[in-house]
This record gives sequence, structure tokens and C-alpha cells, in this order.
Amino acid sequence: EDQVTQSPEALRLQEGESSSLNCSYTVSGLRGLFWYRQDPGKGPEFLFTLYSAGEEKEKERLKATLTKKESFLHITAPKPEDSATYLCAAENTGFQKLVFGTGTRLLVSP
Amino acid sequence: NAGVTQTPKFQVLKTGQSMTLQCAQDMNHEYMSWYRQDPGMGLRLIHYSVGAGITDQGEVPNGYNVSRSTTEDFPLRLLSAAPSQTSVYFCASNPRGANGSPLHFGNGTRLTVT
Repeated sequence: EDQVTQSPEALRLQEGESSSLNCSYTVSGLRGLFWYRQDPGKGPEFLFTLYSAGEEKEKERLKATLTKKESFLHITAPKPEDSATYLCAAENTGFQKLVFGTGTRLLVSP
Repeated sequence: NAGVTQTPKFQVLKTGQSMTLQCAQDMNHEYMSWYRQDPGMGLRLIHYSVGAGITDQGEVPNGYNVSRSTTEDFPLRLLSAAPSQTSVYFCASNPRGANGSPLHFGNGTRLTVT
């Protein structure tokens, strides 16, 4: 069964304190690994798609990486406006449907 | 562009009542889908559509109906609401199905069934 597990469930950082969020996945053939950001009361907002092991993508203070079993979202020198829930989702090659993780709630304090 | 628009934003129903959650997109996307989001669980797919006139069931379809008469609209109907359907519902679209292209989400409908 396809599965996506995110850790930690919650993370509290001081402004400027870099860290990483983890997304472990088990899918029968990965078509794409997606990262989304979700603010309270809003829908998920797309951040990155990764397609193959070794791929990396960056956007401002965020960098996403992918291995054959995991993806990491690295946050460098975070700011309070980076506070949100970060969702990971995997799409398999067979059914073209996304399997979502439960998310990591990130709080960055000034 | 408005993107994906969902209405209403909030709704309270009594057990047994029916209602329709509206979803419209103005990006001419072929693929549309409905998810529910519950605490401690990932987004779960309810129903999806790959084009006008074509719908299919997702992971948790029981108690919900959908239809797709136009490219733009994809309403979700609750036939007889139950407390277990208390959730936040998200509509999403993308141009070619979930085939490597990201979903665009609406801002959700928060539904409470008493």
C-alpha cells in the first residue's frame, strides 16, 4: 500500500535557526514527489515537484531534495513568515493519484 | 485569475440534511478533484474527474456524489449528512491529471454536521 510519512509532526525554530523536514514515502513507482505549504484557513499552495533521486530544487530559503526513499525540505535561516504547515505528497505511476502525508507544523519565532 | 473558487467557506448541517459544495475553476483544467482534510490524517481523495462527463471514485467516496457537466464546475453533493462528514473539504484542479503536474487548491469549505 502506498504510504507517505512526515516527521516531525511539529517543529519550533528561532528566527535564523536552520533545520530540515522529512518525508518518507513508499509508492509502487514514483512519478513525482510534491511539497506544498498550507497556511491556516487556506488551501495548500504548491512549492516543488521532484521526479528522480538526486534532484534538488530551491526557492528563497527553501530547498527540497529527493532520495529513493525520502525527501527533505531544508529551511535555511527561517523567518516568522515561513511559519505554516508543510505537506508532502507522492504520486505513483500506476494510478495517477496523490498520497499525502499528515504534514509538519512549523513555527518560527522572532 | 481567480484560480479555484469554493463556496461556501463555512457550513453547519444537521444530521440527515443534504447540501452541495460548489467548486469552480477558471484555468480550463481538465482534471478536478475533491479532498477532505481531517486532524491527524493526510488529505484523502473523495472523487475526481478527468473531464466533462467523466467522474470516478477516490479513496473515501461513500456518502458523496459528484457530476461534471462543464469543464469549469465540479460540485460535491452530500446526500444525507452524518457527523463523520465533519471536515474541511478542498477542491483542486490541474491541467492533465495528477501526472507530474501540481494541483491547484481552493481555500476550502469547513463543514460541521451536528
